[in-house]
Amino acid sequence: GAGVSQTPSNKVTEKGKYVELRCDPISGHTALYWYRQSLGQGPEFLIYFQGTGAADDSGLPNDRFFAVRPEGSVSTLKIQRTERGDSAVYLCASSLIPSGRLGYEQYFGPGTRLTVT
Amino acid sequence: AQSVAQPEDQVNVAEGNPLTVKCTYSVSGNPYLFWYVQYPNRGLQFLLKYITGDNLVKGSYGFEAEFNKSQTSFHLKKPSALVSDSALYFCAVVSGGSYIPTFGRGTSLIVHP
Repeated sequence: GAGVSQTPSNKVTEKGKYVELRCDPISGHTALYWYRQSLGQGPEFLIYFQGTGAADDSGLPNDRFFAVRPEGSVSTLKIQRTERGDSAVYLCASSLIPSGRLGYEQYFGPGTRLTVT
Repeated sequence: AQSVAQPEDQVNVAEGNPLTVKCTYSVSGNPYLFWYVQYPNRGLQFLLKYITGDNLVKGSYGFEAEFNKSQTSFHLKKPSALVSDSALYFCAVVSGGSYIPTFGRGTSLIVHP
């Protein structure tokens, strides 16, 4: 079946602009995660959704970052007043809700490479 | 708090030789451990996991990993490396009861023909 998709694959924007990054998870996956990956680093957790609600947004670096998942499937990560330090690859992942030994493993999209000039 | 260490930035191995990519972890409570692989310009791909049960877990592409509680390690192994195994490998840990993984910095595996 279809995997996790993310659009756009690349986004170049000017400092101070607003951007939206979209994630389409695997159908039936209730859990959805956003991560940020900088060069030479592992994925850094941003926010976790169970269904429509943000169950944990402790990784969002500041109030310029916001994410929504209004119908429990597609999610949008929104970044206001972008800064050069926001440049990174933004990864989305989805999974089943863990139960026993099932779930926990995440299925990642290809990422959106954001460049702030 | 939970953390993962991948002590090697890069591992070089000749094709056909066994490979090991190291991972150690720190959690409070029971650890759930994962290995992911990332090919250039691609997202991470799940390889294998340890949740409970047998300490030796087998995963995709002939990879396996051994959970060692006393050494808090979860090293990734493969008996015979392929050039196509060359990629970036990430170890991740989740403490029991949490849904949020912490990833290591990654280890670049280079398999030489």
